[in-house]
Amino acid sequence: QTVVTQEPSFSVSPGGTVTLTCGLSSGSVSTNYYPSWYQQTPGQAPRTLIYSTNSRSSGVPDRFSGSILGNKAALTITGAQADDESDYYCVLYMGSGWVFGGGTKLTVL
Amino acid sequence: QVQLVQSGAEVKKPGASVKVSCKASGYTFTDYYMHWVRQAPGQGLEWMGWINPNSGGTNYVQKFQGSVTMTRDTSISTAYMELRRLRSDDTAVYYCARWIAARRDFDYWGQGTLVTVSS
Repeated sequence: QTVVTQEPSFSVSPGGTVTLTCGLSSGSVSTNYYPSWYQQTPGQAPRTLIYSTNSRSSGVPDRFSGSILGNKAALTITGAQADDESDYYCVLYMGSGWVFGGGTKLTVL
Repeated sequence: QVQLVQSGAEVKKPGASVKVSCKASGYTFTDYYMHWVRQAPGQGLEWMGWINPNSGGTNYVQKFQGSVTMTRDTSISTAYMELRRLRSDDTAVYYCARWIAARRDFDYWGQGTLVTVSS
């Protein structure tokens, strides 16, 4: 079974830029997988940041952007802020269903 | 405004069943598929399957086939997820999430229902 891979953790300084990635254990991520990115804070439901690779959800600051970088989907945060410290999950459409990555815990310090 | 309100926390013994509800409001219930996603304590998100509220058609992850049933009651705009033969590793927060086809996105989520399986 194909596994969706994400960095377990990442750290960024306030004001800095960080790129989180979403790959496949076998193969390359393309727009055909409709990658989406979700932000989750403790005790809360996930909320959409990016859908269909690079479309920003309503109300999401433009410091969040999505793309395909090489063979992975990517979420870039430009000008990180303290309240960006969260868990970030990508999800890919695999044809028969959806598979979430394991999530990346982002620390802003 | 769109809201998905789930039923309250449950404690079950191993081998039992649980049925979680998700009441939708603020939109036409039958126009959007409803998905179920779970999250074990301290773990990531796991997609379980979907139900088409219009037709009642379902699609489950192979892992859950035979143990999960997703249903709906259109008269009260409510989706249900029943999980049978519970094990301790079914302890998780269960979320319903509306799927919007045009965006390929889970755009609204319920607040989550904690199901604890313990003897």
